Amino acid sequence: KNQVEQSPQSLIILEGKNCTLQCNYTVSPFSNLRWYKQDTGRGPVSLTIMTFSENTKSNGRYTATLDADTKQSSLHITASQLSDSASYICVVSVQTGGFKTIFGAGTRLFVKA
Amino acid sequence: DGGITQSPKYLFRKEGQNVTLSCEQNLNHDAMYWYRQDPGQGLRLIYYSQIVNDFQKGDIAEGYSVSREKKESFPLTVTSAQKNPTAFYLCASSKATEETQYFGPGTRLLVL
Repeated sequence: KNQVEQSPQSLIILEGKNCTLQCNYTVSPFSNLRWYKQDTGRGPVSLTIMTFSENTKSNGRYTATLDADTKQSSLHITASQLSDSASYICVVSVQTGGFKTIFGAGTRLFVKA
Repeated sequence: DGGITQSPKYLFRKEGQNVTLSCEQNLNHDAMYWYRQDPGQGLRLIYYSQIVNDFQKGDIAEGYSVSREKKESFPLTVTSAQKNPTAFYLCASSKATEETQYFGPGTRLLVL
């Protein structure tokens, strides 16, 4: 069964600290993996996208890694800011003739001053 | 929210009533999508459209209907057959289904 699991479910960190969010998937055949940021009550915004051959992708203070062998991805946030408080969603696409995308439930990040 | 608009922001539905959620994009994208988001769950696909005048059911299409008469517009109707419609509804678009999706701001539907 195609699944995407994210951990932790929620996380509280102090402003300026780093953190790492995890995403494990059982999707097959794998097409690509995306990380989105979703502010409360808003639509998700894309942070990174990685294909099978990519191990790392950065977007400012956000760095995503992908290990296609273990089917794990992580999103590392450096020097967190209050505006980083949001849900972070891992999304994995299945390589099919049609369209199939599996969304994780997200990690809720709270950055405190 | 990048060129995708959804309206209204909040919508109230009475029992037995059909309601329509609007989604418009000016990104010249071919593909458009409707998702439902419930607390603690990942987004679930309701319907998607890869091109004008064509659309496909997603994982939870029952109780919903869509149309794609124009490239820019992909309205979603929540029918009375949808027994648990209270949720946050998100519309998205992309150049093609394998490309990154751009999401609208969402519509929160509540049942009176």
